[in-house]
Amino acid sequence: GENVEQHPSTLSVQEGDSAVIKCTYSDSASNYFPWYKQELGKGPQLIIDIRSNVGEKKDQRIAVTLNKTAKHFSLHITETQPEDSAVYFCAATPANMNTGFQKLVFGTGTRLLVSP
Amino acid sequence: DSGVTQTPKHLITATGQRVTLRCSPRSGDLSVYWYQQSLDQGLQFLIQYYNGEERAKGNILERFSAQQFPDLHSELNLSSLELGDSALYFCASGALAGTYNEQFFGPGTRLTVL
Repeated sequence: GENVEQHPSTLSVQEGDSAVIKCTYSDSASNYFPWYKQELGKGPQLIIDIRSNVGEKKDQRIAVTLNKTAKHFSLHITETQPEDSAVYFCAATPANMNTGFQKLVFGTGTRLLVSP
Repeated sequence: DSGVTQTPKHLITATGQRVTLRCSPRSGDLSVYWYQQSLDQGLQFLIQYYNGEERAKGNILERFSAQQFPDLHSELNLSSLELGDSALYFCASGALAGTYNEQFFGPGTRLTVL
């Protein structure tokens, strides 16, 4: 089955710096890669995702890149702000077009701390 | 706000007891997923329902069961509770099956087993 590794487990940056979180996956059939932000006491919030037919996607200060050959994908946050502080999870899923089964396999999370 | 609602927010119970967690998906979503989040296991997929039918099972214990009702809300039943069942339980919902669909998570239910 799919296995997702995520690094680093913690990341501390100064406000205005960039932050990069990296994930690798094992199942070459995986073709959908979402990123979630989880704040304390809340559920995971989808912040950006990328499909396997795309190499990069941007949404304002966040971007995700995907290298299918190497089976890794990364989250990039530019101009970080204190409100970006949270735990970030990557996930991968092989979309089974026949059954509609879309299990998400999550990485272990990265605690991002942005200091003013 | 994701549009997914979960009740109760907190639940404290004793070992051996049974509890029911409830989830209402976003309007229009037919799929409901249940996940367990614990400190040592991270976010783990438990089970998926699509339009009332079970579609897939993950790491769900036999003591746990779920169902999705005609109005599409779902319930996760946890029985013979053990201390190790203490965790956050999240429900997520998604739209159509068989496409690249985002999963939107609810706020979770924090279960504490004493």
